Amino acid sequence: DADVTQTPRNRITKTGKRIMLECSQTKGHDRMYWYRQDPGLGLQLIYYSFDVKDINKGEISDGYSVSRQAQAKFSLSLESAIPNQTALYFCATSAGGQGDTQYFGPGTRLTVL
Amino acid sequence: AQSVTQLDSHVSVSEGTPVLLRCNYSSSYSPSLFWYVQHPNKGLQLLLKYTSAATLVKGINGFEAEFKKSETSFHLTKPSAHMSDAAEYFCVVSGWGSSASKIIFGSGTRLSIRP
Repeated sequence: DADVTQTPRNRITKTGKRIMLECSQTKGHDRMYWYRQDPGLGLQLIYYSFDVKDINKGEISDGYSVSRQAQAKFSLSLESAIPNQTALYFCATSAGGQGDTQYFGPGTRLTVL
Repeated sequence: AQSVTQLDSHVSVSEGTPVLLRCNYSSSYSPSLFWYVQHPNKGLQLLLKYTSAATLVKGINGFEAEFKKSETSFHLTKPSAHMSDAAEYFCVVSGWGSSASKIIFGSGTRLSIRP
């Protein structure tokens, strides 16, 4: 089984709808992250969490919110989706420390019409 | 401040020839450097990482990278390309013991392999 799972894998929605993307990990890591990927831009950090009680904004958090329900679960919400939020979204987890390796989920492709 | 620049957005090589993907970085302190690979419709997978130990780092699938502090570079190489190497490659820099906000991804290099 995959260490990091994301649901759904694909989602098409309409402008103004509320959307939740879910992420679960079985690696036992404290740190979890949400990124979005747009062509030619690499990955941009939306939110990150270093433990269940710690939530931090990344470089592009506007229009998004998150919830860390448990060590293993980290959800990303779009309160009112807009077309420029169409992107590939990745969840990742890491243990922390020097040379911290991130483990990525398979991604969620979100299209906002 | 940290930044990372991947010098080529697209590299195309013939199967069996060497691969060179270039990455330059800047960092105010001793960085950790990573190369990740993303195959089509897949998540990112770690190829290799540098964390202030040996400057020549060997990774999976025959890839290696050399940390050159004087040139602020961390180029990825492979002696002989294989068709399965076709993918997107990301160079990443992060600060030692720092927050996630100091993890910076390059814009990616798409590697194509010609038969």
